[in-house]
Amino acid sequence: AQKVTQAQTEISVVEKEDVTLDCVYETRDTTYYLFWYKQPPSGELVFLIRRNSFDEQNEISGRYSWNFQKSTSSFNFTITASQVVDSAVYFCALIRTGRRALTFGSGTRLQVQP
Amino acid sequence: EAQVTQNPRYLITVTGKKLTVTCSQNMNHEYMSWYRQDPGLGLRQIYYSMNVEVTDKGDVPEGYKVSRKEKRNFPLILESPSPNQTSLYFCASSLLGQAGRLLNSPLHFGNGTRLTVT
Repeated sequence: AQKVTQAQTEISVVEKEDVTLDCVYETRDTTYYLFWYKQPPSGELVFLIRRNSFDEQNEISGRYSWNFQKSTSSFNFTITASQVVDSAVYFCALIRTGRRALTFGSGTRLQVQP
Repeated sequence: EAQVTQNPRYLITVTGKKLTVTCSQNMNHEYMSWYRQDPGLGLRQIYYSMNVEVTDKGDVPEGYKVSRKEKRNFPLILESPSPNQTSLYFCASSLLGQAGRLLNSPLHFGNGTRLTVT
């Protein structure tokens, strides 16, 4: 079985603060992919990043960075100098070999106050 | 523009009245899928299709039907909707990777359909 846990239901920060969204996953497979999606208030789901299980390099894209640690089965997402436009629900997801669907976490709602 | 198009965006209906939510993609993707999103549960897969005329159940298929007669379209059918099917629905599509695997391709999602069944 596979499972994704996003323990933080809701986070509220003030603009320009850094914020980290946690994602912990469970899978017995050695080959799998992890994803992050953003769901802004308008409701659509926006793909942010994909990472395979063999690549533990951290990734940075502008103000966004991701920390993948297989030892702790975590794939955390950090937003540096948060902005109001970052307010959204963020989903972490996992897919392993042979599966036909992503397994999503329950999401973390981030509110960035001006 | 590459996209997944769902219609309608919002739908309010009554128990038992058959409805169809349409989904169309213009990316020539083999794989299409329906998810429902409920508070505290994230997204759960309803049905998926690996190609034309190939469909299979996801994690929560009860009360839903799908069809895949053409590659670009994957409608979701609720024959007799009930209030517990009130939810936010997403259609998604993706290319299949090596050996027909849905492993490393990101899903492209439609904008969602908010369904209310009274």
